Amino acid sequence: AQSVTQLDSQVPVFEEAPVELRCNYSSSVSVYLFWYVQYPNQGLQLLLKYLSGSTLVESINGFEAEFNKSQTSFHLRKPSVHISDTAEYFCAVSDRRANNLFFGTGTRLTVIP
Amino acid sequence: DTAVSQTPKYLVTQMGNDKSIKCEQNLGHDTMYWYKQDSKKFLKIMFSYNNKELIINETVPNRFSPKSPDKAHLNLHINSLELGDSAVYFCASSQVVLGGETQYFGPGTRLLVL
Repeated sequence: AQSVTQLDSQVPVFEEAPVELRCNYSSSVSVYLFWYVQYPNQGLQLLLKYLSGSTLVESINGFEAEFNKSQTSFHLRKPSVHISDTAEYFCAVSDRRANNLFFGTGTRLTVIP
Repeated sequence: DTAVSQTPKYLVTQMGNDKSIKCEQNLGHDTMYWYKQDSKKFLKIMFSYNNKELIINETVPNRFSPKSPDKAHLNLHINSLELGDSAVYFCASSQVVLGGETQYFGPGTRLLVL
């Protein structure tokens, strides 16, 4: 079975400051890793995912995440946040056979002007 | 235009009632899912269907019955609603059932059981 831990339930950060949202997972099998974002009153959207290859993956809006197998982590970073990044961010894993996502409890990112 | 749509958006009902939530995707995907998001924002998968066949049923009470009339639709019927069923229910779809596929989520249905 898989599980995901997002230690920070809320992260306030000033506009244009850097941010890191932490994600750790546990699994007895190889997994795929995802970050989804949920804007207020909307469904989730994929931000980025790690399947294989380079351990650093990037999104189109400046976020990046690095897969660290030894630390079983997949932390999300952005060097300079914007007001529009305010949202709930969910880390998730799925095993390689089936696409059932196991989510963390989410991190609420609030960007302060 | 909407890739994954759900109706209704809001649902307020009394305990003991039976209700349905509809989901449709126009992406041509083979696999559809239902997730439940509780009041603490925790998301948990409930069901997964691939080509109209049940793939995953994650310890959901049998009061919840998904129905897939065709590949583009996965409806959720809930019998004898309980207070604990109050949550946001999200439908999602992916091209195939294999791990790693991006899932596309609907806007959610907010269910409140009184």
